[in-house]
Amino acid sequence: GQQLNQSPQSMFIQEGEDVSMNCTSSSIFNTWLWYKQDPGEGPVLLIALYKAGELTSNGRLTAQFGITRKDSFLNISASIPSDVGIYFCAGQLKSNYQLIWGAGTKLIIKP
Amino acid sequence: GAVVSQHPSRVICKSGTSVKIECRSLDFQATTMFWYRQFPKQSLMLMATSNEGSKATYEQGVEKDKFLINHASLTLSTLTVTSAHPEDSSFYICSARDRAGGPDTQYFGPGTRLTVL
Repeated sequence: GQQLNQSPQSMFIQEGEDVSMNCTSSSIFNTWLWYKQDPGEGPVLLIALYKAGELTSNGRLTAQFGITRKDSFLNISASIPSDVGIYFCAGQLKSNYQLIWGAGTKLIIKP
Repeated sequence: GAVVSQHPSRVICKSGTSVKIECRSLDFQATTMFWYRQFPKQSLMLMATSNEGSKATYEQGVEKDKFLINHASLTLSTLTVTSAHPEDSSFYICSARDRAGGPDTQYFGPGTRLTVL
């Protein structure tokens, strides 16, 4: 079945550092979405990407939809304590609008 | 905009009882809603796709008689866990597809923590 490979699995960084994570797939997607999930909460949409090559920013977050439509990355600049959480990528199938999920990247900020 | 609510946020029930979870899109119409289950430290697992006015489509391995889904209106879908057992304890999350007036995007509810004793 379709799978997304998300890496890294976890990151330990210092406050103020930049963060980068990515997802790759063997399948082509029409839409890439990046979500953040805090403990005990549902995922919150961070950035949605709809066109191959598209580069979109949301404050300190920047994400790109790969040219091949099989990959995407998310960058967070100048990390702050509230950035901790789990970040998920998801590719959306146009046929039935289902989301295929990455395994998540857990971001931990060292004090 | 694009707010999805879930009720209840937490529920504890005895084994053998049924539990209903509501998912509402508060400021948009959602012709399609999705129900997920999430185990600790894992990603979301799609259980079923719910289309307004029609039967839900269940993923392989998900018992439709166990997890009853009703999508009676454009803003409400319900998931009923029937005859719940401890192994049904999990975090259940719904999402709603917003297609009106812009790109296709899914928004998620805050989740419902179900504990079956």
